Amino acid sequence: KQEVTQIPAALSVPEGENLVLNCSFTDSAIYNLQWFRQDPGKGLTSLLLIQSSQREQTSGRLNASLDKSSGRSTLYIAASQPGDSATYLCAVDRTGANNLFFGTGTRLTVIP
Amino acid sequence: DTEVTQTPKHLVMGMTNKKSLKCEQHMGHRAMYWYKQKAKKPPELMFVYSYEKLSINESVPSRFSPECPNSSLLNLHLHALQPEDSALYLCASSQPMGGGFHWETQYFGPGTRLLVL
Repeated sequence: KQEVTQIPAALSVPEGENLVLNCSFTDSAIYNLQWFRQDPGKGLTSLLLIQSSQREQTSGRLNASLDKSSGRSTLYIAASQPGDSATYLCAVDRTGANNLFFGTGTRLTVIP
Repeated sequence: DTEVTQTPKHLVMGMTNKKSLKCEQHMGHRAMYWYKQKAKKPPELMFVYSYEKLSINESVPSRFSPECPNSSLLNLHLHALQPEDSALYLCASSQPMGGGFHWETQYFGPGTRLLVL
């Protein structure tokens, strides 16, 4: 049974700091791994999608890596800003049909 | 237009009521999804419609009944819900990648916040 865990559960950093969010999954037979952000009470916004054959993806200040063999992914945020404050969720696609299984989330607060 | 819309934004219903949630997208996406999200928890997949056919039903109670009238619309019919069904209900859609076997990332709507009394 797939379990997806994110550590830490909550994180507060001062503005401008670089930070890393972690995601681990127990079953390495995944098609892709995706990172989303969710603002309080809102829907999810897709940030990055890494196919199982890829090692990393970059978008602006965000960089996500994937190590399937160890069941880990990291999301690196450079030069954090108060607007980055949100909950960050990783999700694994178990079937290739976009049947997403979400992690427990990390609530990030960037302090001005 | 990369928007998924959901109506209503908020819904309060009694345990004997029948209500429906509506989701719409005009991006030409061929898969649509319903998720349930309890407070401070991650979203949990409920149903997946692929090319307007129900392809995944994650053992959801029959008091939730999905319907996909066409490729742009997805409804969730609610009947005889329980207070523990109170949650944020999220709809999403996505598009197949070039070969059609894998799917691109999902676009989410803002959700319907449901309270069952």
